[in-house]
Amino acid sequence: GQQVMQIPQYQHVQEGEDFTTYCNSSTTLSNIQWYKQRPGGHPVFLIQLVKSGEVKKQKRLTFQFGEAKKNSSLHITATQTTDVGTYFCAGRSVTGANNLFFGTGTRLTVIP
Amino acid sequence: KAGVTQTPRYLIKTRGQQVTLSCSPISGHRSVSWYQQTPGQGLQFLFEYFSETQRNKGNFPGRFSGRQFSNSRSEMNVSTLELGDSALYLCASSADPGLYEQYFGPGTRLTVT
Repeated sequence: GQQVMQIPQYQHVQEGEDFTTYCNSSTTLSNIQWYKQRPGGHPVFLIQLVKSGEVKKQKRLTFQFGEAKKNSSLHITATQTTDVGTYFCAGRSVTGANNLFFGTGTRLTVIP
Repeated sequence: KAGVTQTPRYLIKTRGQQVTLSCSPISGHRSVSWYQQTPGQGLQFLFEYFSETQRNKGNFPGRFSGRQFSNSRSEMNVSTLELGDSALYLCASSADPGLYEQYFGPGTRLTVT
């Protein structure tokens, strides 16, 4: 079955440092979405990437979709304490069931 | 627009009982998905409904079932509860399945004792 893995599982950074999480799918994806879940909260949509090799930026956040549409990354520049939370990627496979498969998530802790 | 609402927010049940959780999507959204979230397993897909039809089903036992009504509201039912069913159950609505983002509700925290 489809699997979406994320690394690292946990990341502790000093405030001001950069942070990157990587997402790898076992199958080719039609699109990839990123969500953020604050502690005690629910996932909130951040962005969607559709095209092979696509790069999108949201202020300090940069999202990339791999050329093969099987991997993606989220990079945060100069982390702030408001960036704390778990970041999930989620994708739909181009084959088989096309429900949204969530990655395992990366929990980010920012030390002030 | 009002967000996705889920009721109840918290629930405590004993093993063997059954439970029904409710989800009201954002007005105009016809797609509703359900997820189980546990610390060890992350977000696991349960099922997806669109226009009262189940489009996809995750890898969960038959004790987990759901339905969607004509007004797009959805319910999920878990029968013969087990301790391992303790989790946060999240409902998400979308304008249409496929390319659109999902909006999550606050979840129902189910504890099975």
